[in-house]
Amino acid sequence: DAGITQSPRHKVTETGTPVTLRCHQTENHRYMYWYRQDPGHGLRLIHYSYGVKDTDKGEVSDGYSVSRSKTEDFLLTLESATSSQTSVYFCAISRDSNNQPQHFGDGTRLSIL
Amino acid sequence: DQQVKQNSPSLSVQEGRISILNCDYTNSMFDYFLWYKKYPAEGPTFLISISSIKDKNEDGRFTVFLNKSAKHLSLHIVPSQPGDSAVYFCASPGGSNYKLTFGKGTLLTVNP
Repeated sequence: DAGITQSPRHKVTETGTPVTLRCHQTENHRYMYWYRQDPGHGLRLIHYSYGVKDTDKGEVSDGYSVSRSKTEDFLLTLESATSSQTSVYFCAISRDSNNQPQHFGDGTRLSIL
Repeated sequence: DQQVKQNSPSLSVQEGRISILNCDYTNSMFDYFLWYKKYPAEGPTFLISISSIKDKNEDGRFTVFLNKSAKHLSLHIVPSQPGDSAVYFCASPGGSNYKLTFGKGTLLTVNP
């Protein structure tokens, strides 16, 4: 199993509060990703990183920001959480070559009331 | 617009029989495809992949077939086992390298 740890695994918070999710990897992979999974939508990419301090937007990036200050950690921040951001969030990693599979963490279930 | 489509939300098969999960894509430039399996409360697990230079890739009980002219791929599981019961996603990085686009998934139930 790829060494990916997501924290927290579960979180309940209120609308308008800031939330930060953490993804930690021990594989020294260059690429890291944040996805959300919602019923009827599969997994959708929020943001990704292709190196330390190098990040870019995915298809559903509004309301989210990310940071990557070191190879092993990729943080996802909801500056002011909304109920529409209630979801399961998955972090993934991949090596720095084309057509390599991404490996996923076990997810964070986030509920915003 | 969905670029990777899984049109069957669910599939039920008997243990020992073949499971066939289908996936269609819209962009003929897509050249690499992956299948993931997901159990409840766990992350997706990579299962098998195929490059467009092939039309078949096999790994044990799992075989993926790619029909480029039809823009269609399928995952065959033979024989199916109850432990295969999970949601299966097909995905492709498309033309964007690294950024996977997923189908909505198919829930496979294998009945003992």
